This record gives sequence, structure tokens and C-alpha cells, in this order.
Amino acid sequence: ETGVTQTPRHLVMGMTNKKSLKCEQHLGHNAMYWYKQSAKKPLELMFVYSLEERVENNSVPSRFSPECPNSSHLFLHLHTLQPEDSALYLCASSQDLRGEPQHFGDGTRLSIL
Amino acid sequence: EDQVTQSPEALRLQEGESSSLNCSYTVSGLRGLFWYRQDPGKGPEFLFTLYSAGEEKEKERLKATLTKKESFLHITAPKPEDSATYLCAVQAIGSARQLTFGSGTQLTVLP
Repeated sequence: ETGVTQTPRHLVMGMTNKKSLKCEQHLGHNAMYWYKQSAKKPLELMFVYSLEERVENNSVPSRFSPECPNSSHLFLHLHTLQPEDSALYLCASSQDLRGEPQHFGDGTRLSIL
Repeated sequence: EDQVTQSPEALRLQEGESSSLNCSYTVSGLRGLFWYRQDPGKGPEFLFTLYSAGEEKEKERLKATLTKKESFLHITAPKPEDSATYLCAVQAIGSARQLTFGSGTQLTVLP
């Protein structure tokens, strides 16, 4: 596989469930990102990891918990989500944090019941 | 605070009808401006990076230009397969971790 792969592509969960989103990049990049994309709104950066170290957390509620076990994998653990958390969650990677373009996966469409 | 405004929000063109999309930005110091294309149900696909005023990049029917306040994405003789949402993002100097995105322009090219 090439590029950035996200699983699952679709997820429906109740407000009390716990689930995880997975992202894997096959580009040899050192930085990975989680974004939230809601209808008619710009992409919102959630978290940034560089060489497995979290370097950015954009005031994201604690019900979202990221994990980066190595430079190729990124997870977003979800717990006790709210209906307003329904959105497309996108993972991206870049070579480094010095202005190289980010390459995105196709996202996980999350629906909270 | 960095800001990106894209216009128009939506644009419908006939096949072959050339036009331009606008991305106006406010940033303390520009490291780079990025254009992406996003198809329904897909993630954004990288198109171009522009780093300094006067720079131009081309790819097939697309040409991106940059000034100190805005960028244009020119589409020459578009085809229906060019239909997508086009996103613009800026990265500020000293904030290499952050991309600030606009809301996008939804382009529809009719056959």
C-alpha cells in the first residue's frame, strides 16, 4: 500500500462507547496530524506528532486521546463523545515540520448517536 | 491570528469555460501557501505549494499564482473531472506545525 491509510472508513457509535481510529502512513514521513472536518467549516487541526512526540494539542477535549506508537502509525482513541463530534476525521503526514506539504488519508466518517 | 478566505463558495462552469478561484490570506509571515483538491468522500489531495510573491506553479489545466495578499487558482478549459472542492491553506513562519485552511470553493464543471 502507498500513501496514508485510515480505518475504519465509517463509524457509528453511541455516546457511551469507546472506539479508536487508526492511521498508517507508508511515505517514510516523520510528522503526523489529526484534523476534524465538519460540514461548511474549515479543517481544524487537533494534534500534531513529530517523531512520535506530541508537539501540538489545539485545545481538544480530553474525550479525544491520541497515540503515536511509531512514526508510521497514529491512533485517535474516542470516549464518551458528544453529537457535535460527528464529523470527518482526517489523518495527514509530512516529511517534517519545516513547511513540507501534508498528505492526507481519506478519513473516517464518524457519526455519534 | 492567521486567516484564510476563499471565494466564491461555489462556482458552476460549463466545460471549457475558464475561470479563477481566489484565496485571500492574512498571516504574520508566510512560510508557504498550499492548494488542495478534495473529492466527495475523500481526503484532500495536494496540488501546489507557493512560497513567495510572484511564484507560479502549473499542473495540467491548473495554474496557481501568489501575491502578498492572495493566491489565485486559474482553471483553463475545465473538464467535468475537475469538479471538486478546492482548498487553500497557509503556513506561517514560526508556526510550522499549523496549517490554517479556508472553507474551500466547490467547483462544478458541467458537460
